[in-house]
Amino acid sequence: DIQMTQSPSTLSASVGDRVTITCRASQTIVTWLAWYQQKPGKAPKLLIYKASSLESGVPSRFSGSGSGTEFTLTISSLQPDDVATYYCQKYNKYPYTFGQGTKLEIK
Amino acid sequence: EVQVLESGGGLVQPGGSLRLSCAASGFTFSNYGMSWVRQTPGKGLEWVSVITHSGAITYYVDSVKGRFTISRDNSKNTVYLQMNSLRADDTAVYYCAKHRGGNSGLDYWGQGTQVTVSS
Repeated sequence: DIQMTQSPSTLSASVGDRVTITCRASQTIVTWLAWYQQKPGKAPKLLIYKASSLESGVPSRFSGSGSGTEFTLTISSLQPDDVATYYCQKYNKYPYTFGQGTKLEIK
Repeated sequence: EVQVLESGGGLVQPGGSLRLSCAASGFTFSNYGMSWVRQTPGKGLEWVSVITHSGAITYYVDSVKGRFTISRDNSKNTVYLQMNSLRADDTAVYYCAKHRGGNSGLDYWGQGTQVTVSS
């Protein structure tokens, strides 16, 4: 099975900073990748699909890029509401494995 | 408004069984695949199982194969997860999620139902 590895595991940044989270697949998944945001006690929320397509209603400060085995989620200007754990998920074929998550905190 | 609502969680002894239900509304249920995803306390997300829109195709993560069965009733807009031979490491919050369509992620999630396997 394809493994998904996120880095870093935790990230601390200041309001207004540009933040980047990386997700690497152990084999190519083309662009079959989604990003989710999960706040404590809540269900995950879809942010990005097909590696770079912004889900409806998601603020434009979120963007995704990449293809093949390396992908990034970028927040262009970090806001206090962005404190959450972020997960990537591959869905080229089953199982639809998630990365281990990146916890984002405000300095 | 799309809604997804899980039920059926609870406390069960090791080796026991539980059936989770997921009632959906606000979209044409029979057009979309559905997945179950679980999350252990303080840990990450694990995709568990999927069922295609018609119910014809199902897949499972290796750790639950042979023990869990996913099914759906399109007349009731409901998907189920039958969990047998439960183990302590099945303890988790179980989420039901709708596939976005066009094979592009999970766009609507329920709030989850807690399953605890303990004697």
